[in-house]
Amino acid sequence: SQTIHQWPATLVQPVGSPLSLECTVEGTSNPNLYWYRQAAGRGLQLLFYSVGIGQISSEVPQNLSASRPQDRQFILSSKKLLLSDSGFYLCAWSMGTWGTGELFFGEGSRLTVL
Amino acid sequence: GQQLNQSPQSMFIQEGEDVSMNCTSSSIFNTWLWYKQEPGEGPVLLIALYKAGELTSNGRLTAQFGITRKDSFLNISASIPSDVGIYFCAGMDSNYQLIWGAGTKLIIKP
Repeated sequence: SQTIHQWPATLVQPVGSPLSLECTVEGTSNPNLYWYRQAAGRGLQLLFYSVGIGQISSEVPQNLSASRPQDRQFILSSKKLLLSDSGFYLCAWSMGTWGTGELFFGEGSRLTVL
Repeated sequence: GQQLNQSPQSMFIQEGEDVSMNCTSSSIFNTWLWYKQEPGEGPVLLIALYKAGELTSNGRLTAQFGITRKDSFLNISASIPSDVGIYFCAGMDSNYQLIWGAGTKLIIKP
């Protein structure tokens, strides 16, 4: 069966520090991968998605970046965090066809920038 | 851009009551999906709807894809404490973009 894991689960970072969140998927090949952000009490905002290794689409311009160095690995990064980067970050995967909208989410990573 | 209007924003209900929430849009969607998110976790897919007029159940949950393709509702019958959480609707358009509602927070009165 397929599983998705992301880490770390929680982190507190000072403003201006770098960020790296990692997500891996097991049990499937060539998944579509996504990074979402959820502000407190709010809905989901799509940040990045990827349909294959090295292929990244950005939905929202900001100081975050994403990379997909391997088929089932998706990384969210920042060189210098801002206070507004605080939130709950969710990685998700879907089957390698676009048509269903059925996403499988990781456990989430709660980032607090101080 | 496209938006989904999800209502209500939150609901306080008694255990055993039925619950109803809905999403509407000015745009047509090809797929409607309902997810549930529990505190500190990622959303989990509850029901996916692929045809206008489709009515699908998953245990005590029932969802319908509106005939106009611009709306969907989710009903929960005989609510129990473990139903608490945030319920999200999502619609997929013809460009395979997934648009999310803002969520309905379900709280059960003690």
